[in-house]
Amino acid sequence: EAEVAQSPRYKITEKSQAVAFWCDPISGHATLYWYRQILGQGPELLVQFQDESVVDDSQLPKDRFSAERLKGVDSTLKIQPAELGDSAMYLCASSLRRTGRDTIYFGEGSWLTVV
Amino acid sequence: GENVEQHPSTLSVQEGDSAVIKCTYSDSASNYFPWYKQELGKRPQLIIDIRSNVGEKKDQRIAVTLNKTAKHFSLHITETQPEDSAVYFCAARYNNNDMRFGAGTRLTVKP
Repeated sequence: EAEVAQSPRYKITEKSQAVAFWCDPISGHATLYWYRQILGQGPELLVQFQDESVVDDSQLPKDRFSAERLKGVDSTLKIQPAELGDSAMYLCASSLRRTGRDTIYFGEGSWLTVV
Repeated sequence: GENVEQHPSTLSVQEGDSAVIKCTYSDSASNYFPWYKQELGKRPQLIIDIRSNVGEKKDQRIAVTLNKTAKHFSLHITETQPEDSAVYFCAARYNNNDMRFGAGTRLTVKP
């Protein structure tokens, strides 16, 4: 069964350092999402791509977070500089098309601890 | 924007009993309502979903009901088993494709 791939699974970084996460969606999925999940809460959307274009980044803290999906396939989420409050699980997800009813499939997530 | 509220935040049942988790949403345009199960340290996995053109859907021991008028939907798990213990999230998606999640329900099934 095809899965969304993410790396690294775990990352510990010091405050003010840069950190990057990578995601490879399910083959053929046009829509890619980055979610942040703080322990004990539901996932919150950071950014959504349709192919290589950003369609929603209203919740992305753009002063420190950036995301790209240059060729419309894999994607990178970067945080620079990292802050203590960024400690969370960063989930990548994908869906086939940008419609209201397509199933969203999640990757295993990247756990970030900022110390 | 869409707001999804989920209750209860924790639920403990005896093995074999039923469990019900309820969610409400605010945007009447929402047309897709998935439920995800997340075990500790793992990804959320879709367990069942319902679209706005149906009122109920069942898959073995799991069922979901949708009341569009009242803007609420519920997850029903019958004959619960210890392996059902996890955090369950409801979500609602509206036309601009932004899916909003509830805060989650931690279900514990006691043997």
